[in-house]
Amino acid sequence: SSELTQDPAVSVALGQTVRITCQGDSLRNYYTTWYQQKPGQAPVLVIYGKNTRPSGIPDRFSGSSSGNTASLTITAAQAEDEADYYCNSRDSGGNHWVFGGGTKLTVL
Amino acid sequence: QVQLQESGPGLVKPSETLSLTCTVSGYSIRSDSYWDWIRQPPGKGLEWIGNIYHTGSTNYNPSLKSRVTISVDTSKNQFSLKLTSLTAADTAVYYCARDEPAVPPVDWGQGTLVTVSS
Repeated sequence: SSELTQDPAVSVALGQTVRITCQGDSLRNYYTTWYQQKPGQAPVLVIYGKNTRPSGIPDRFSGSSSGNTASLTITAAQAEDEADYYCNSRDSGGNHWVFGGGTKLTVL
Repeated sequence: QVQLQESGPGLVKPSETLSLTCTVSGYSIRSDSYWDWIRQPPGKGLEWIGNIYHTGSTNYNPSLKSRVTISVDTSKNQFSLKLTSLTAADTAVYYCARDEPAVPPVDWGQGTLVTVSS
């Protein structure tokens, strides 16, 4: 079982703002990374570190964290944002990576 | 720009050993990066298998540690995965990937589907 917990599915109306959350004890001590995965494709990193976007990731994607919960916020969601989103961080021991179970985002 | 390409058999029999290789191009495997294996069963989420540094230092997922070996061949700019005692539960798309210092996988291969079936 994953040490990081995500809601299985979330939906958002086109152009609205959505928050995808990730919970886990290790998030109190380590940064959360967020990945976007579309069907048949490898995951793409969208947020890492405190709130850093790799080159090419739109600025409508942002990350935040409080206590044991990290959040990925998509402001003014677009149709192309429909995808699975995975959080990633260290495990509680700090030695290994662990992924959340993933959240399927539907843009209505 | 770094590119990663997985190679290996697409079908393996139960109880046998899976061997996959990741060939890295456009980037030296001797750079300050960890090199990962990650898998994804069909329709399910991502599972980190383990990683290796060019010195040979490894980290493994505790749930798979008894069956996994990751190795590196710096002369070929490749790293490899061996997973023993396969069952149907090991059927998945296997990805190789590159970490940056203190950042989980940044660059990913396209993935290769491995099916465990007799």
